[in-house]
Amino acid sequence: RKEVEQDPGPFNVPEGATVAFNCTYSNSASQSFFWYRQDCRKEPKLLMSVYSSGNEDGRFTAQLNRASQYISLLIRDSKLSDSATYLCVVNGTGGFKTIFGAGTRLFVKA
Amino acid sequence: ETGVTQTPRHLVMGMTNKKSLKCEQHLGHNAMYWYKQSAKKPLELMFVYNFKEQTENNSVPSRFSPECPNSSHLFLHLHTLQPEDSALYLCASSQAISVWTEAFFGQGTRLTVV
Repeated sequence: RKEVEQDPGPFNVPEGATVAFNCTYSNSASQSFFWYRQDCRKEPKLLMSVYSSGNEDGRFTAQLNRASQYISLLIRDSKLSDSATYLCVVNGTGGFKTIFGAGTRLFVKA
Repeated sequence: ETGVTQTPRHLVMGMTNKKSLKCEQHLGHNAMYWYKQSAKKPLELMFVYNFKEQTENNSVPSRFSPECPNSSHLFLHLHTLQPEDSALYLCASSQAISVWTEAFFGQGTRLTVV
């Protein structure tokens, strides 16, 4: 089993749709979780951290389920500009324990 | 201007060449990282430096040689690479490795080995 797994997609959705991604992790000792966004041929950038109680940032909602060992990202009212690859990041202790998922590709169409 | 700058942005090199990738961060961070990103694969951590000291070498072949002269600069020296080493090489920095918060990435060097 991979340490961090994501559905590679692509997810093709119309503008205005709601879309959700999941990311599973294998290490139950993982401590912190993040979603990064990577545009085509660009570097990854932090989208949002994921907190135990769940957190929201505008149209984006992140959830953590420790019992089932997954995190999720929900995007409401999708915009064309949301088209990107979304990377799940799981961290144990120290930066060298950080594991990136392979990413989920999202295409939002007009 | 990004807080993490990588040069060159693109590099084509032969298998017998020697080249170096450069990374500079202006964020006052203490930890710097080299990652490799191949097509449709997860980001692979290569090296970690904390306060100029290498703390992690993730089983990287010796044809990749990192150098960290100070907390703001990181180099990756390349020698006798293979075609399968062609990838996007990303440098990142973060405040520290003791508590991992946000990592800031450079724009990467797209390397092609011919």
